[in-house]
Amino acid sequence: KNEVEQSPQNLTAQEGEFITINCSYSVGISALHWLQQHPGGGIVSLFMLSSGKKKHGRLIATINIQEKHSSLHITASHPRDSAVYICAVRASGGSNYKLTFGKGTLLTVNP
Amino acid sequence: SQTIHQWPATLVQPVGSPLSLECTVEGTSNPNLYWYRQAAGRGLQLLFYSVGIGQISSEVPQNLSASRPQDRQFILSSKKLLLSDSGFYLCAWSRLGAGTGELFFGEGSRLTVL
Repeated sequence: KNEVEQSPQNLTAQEGEFITINCSYSVGISALHWLQQHPGGGIVSLFMLSSGKKKHGRLIATINIQEKHSSLHITASHPRDSAVYICAVRASGGSNYKLTFGKGTLLTVNP
Repeated sequence: SQTIHQWPATLVQPVGSPLSLECTVEGTSNPNLYWYRQAAGRGLQLLFYSVGIGQISSEVPQNLSASRPQDRQFILSSKKLLLSDSGFYLCAWSRLGAGTGELFFGEGSRLTVL
């Protein structure tokens, strides 16, 4: 059974701080997604990666396939970054359509 | 550009009443379509996915059903709601054949069953 664990569950930071959210999973994967869910509930896809590192603006996602671990970093955090960040993985050899989701990390950035 | 819409955004329904949530995608054709549920304190759970008109796969046994009457329309239904059906429902799409492809989500529908 594929488990996806995120840490921390909750994170409070001051504006400008560097943020790291971690995701660990238990099986081989073909892709890992980082998603952002705002208080209203809508979800936006931030990254999809299967190796290495991706960067978009102040957001950086890394993945270590051997260690089954991914991190999402936010540089120079801002109150508008406050949201729930969700990690999701697609298992290798499994259904192409099924993702396993973590429970999310609630990030609050105070001004 | 592609967009996805779902409605209604909020719904309060009594136990035993029917349900219909609708989702439409614009700007693409032959999308894979998905219904997810997010219960409080839990991760997103895939309920149904569809790779084409009339083709529905169910991931978990439940009180809900899904239909895809048109290429870009996906409907989540129930004949009689249960209290346990309460939650946040999200429709999503990805490109056909892209099993590892990016997911695009609708705005979500919050259902409260009383």
